[in-house]
Amino acid sequence: KNEVEQSPQNLTAQEGEFITINCSYSVGISALHWLQQHPGGGIVSLFMLSSGKKKHGRLIATINIQEKHSSLHITASHPRDSAVYICAVPTGNQFYFGTGTSLTVIP
Amino acid sequence: KAGVTQTPRYLIKTRGQQVTLSCSPISGHRSVSWYQQTPGQGLQFLFEYFSETQRNKGNFPGRFSGRQFSNSRSEMNVSTLELGDSALYLCASSSDMNTEAFFGQGTRLTVV
Repeated sequence: KNEVEQSPQNLTAQEGEFITINCSYSVGISALHWLQQHPGGGIVSLFMLSSGKKKHGRLIATINIQEKHSSLHITASHPRDSAVYICAVPTGNQFYFGTGTSLTVIP
Repeated sequence: KAGVTQTPRYLIKTRGQQVTLSCSPISGHRSVSWYQQTPGQGLQFLFEYFSETQRNKGNFPGRFSGRQFSNSRSEMNVSTLELGDSALYLCASSSDMNTEAFFGQGTRLTVV
């Protein structure tokens, strides 16, 4: 079993749809990161969460520390949101990563 | 403040050669960790340095090594390159591991 599990692995949505990506983890943490990776490889950190909820534009991230679960929501999705979304959990001296969710938003 | 800078962004090497990649963390950050991303394996931990000391190492062969300098800049080296070393190499910097981390854009290495 992976320390960090993401679902779904692949997601196709119509432009404008509300999208949810889930991340469950088994390692103890003090924070969780959501990352975005566009084709071409560069990774951008979207959020770091240690509790509750954070919002940035159309992106919302929530975390439930007791349940070891986090969600990333995208409201009014747009084709430019097409990317791989990865959750990352720091523990000890390293990050554990989910396998990523590949999102395609169709116009 | 400036972000995490990885150089070079792209690199092509031939089998058997060695390569050195560089990661300059955010100013003031003392922890630098390195990861390899391949299509089949996702992101895997290579090693982490804090104040010039390697604190943790992933499950990679000895051909993969690294170091950190007094200014916190870190380098990783891969010797005797193999085709399977073709990957995106990513570094992350933080003041310590359980604080907010920032990721570089990565270095895409192609071994031919």
